[in-house]
Amino acid sequence: EDQVTQSPEALRLQEGESSSLNCSYTVSGLRGLFWYRQDPGKGPEFLFTLYSAGEEKEKERLKATLTKKESFLHITAPKPEDSATYLCATAQKETSGSRLTFGEGTQLTVNP
Amino acid sequence: NAGVMQNPRHLVRRRGQEARLRCSPMKGHSHVYWYRQLPEEGLKFMVYLQKENIIDESGMPKERFSAEFPKEGPSILRIQQVVRGDSAAYFCASSPREWADTQYFGPGTRLTVL
Repeated sequence: EDQVTQSPEALRLQEGESSSLNCSYTVSGLRGLFWYRQDPGKGPEFLFTLYSAGEEKEKERLKATLTKKESFLHITAPKPEDSATYLCATAQKETSGSRLTFGEGTQLTVNP
Repeated sequence: NAGVMQNPRHLVRRRGQEARLRCSPMKGHSHVYWYRQLPEEGLKFMVYLQKENIIDESGMPKERFSAEFPKEGPSILRIQQVVRGDSAAYFCASSPREWADTQYFGPGTRLTVL
């Protein structure tokens, strides 16, 4: 059974203080690893999909990387508007469609 | 260029009543997924549907829950005889094909059972 574990559960940063969020996964036959951002009271918003170890993707202050067991979401010089819960999810080759297994998220707060 | 739409956004039901949650996927998307987010928990897969077919319902409780995605109209998640433990946010996501680079999520329906 797929398992996705995110750490830390919560993270407080000062504006401009760079850091990384971790996502550890156990899945037989990874089809893709996804990062989403979720604001309070809203649905998850897609950020990245990674497919193979060594892959990296960037968007503004965010950069996602993937190894065979983990993914990291690096946040460079964060701003208060980056405050949100960041969700990691996996899709498995053996399951139907693109059903996702989510971690419990990292709640990020960036103070001005 | 509307995204995934869900309604109602908030739904209050008393124990024993029925709840119907609707999801209209993005234009051109024929694959729909339902997820549930219980308070203080992560998103959990419930069911995967294509037009007129349930493909995978392995995450849906066997009793009281059902889902459909008719040829015309939105996908419906139906919960009969609701209990307090059904209180949660229910999210729908859609994609254009069986495997897609991403699923696009709706804003969710927040169900409160009194």
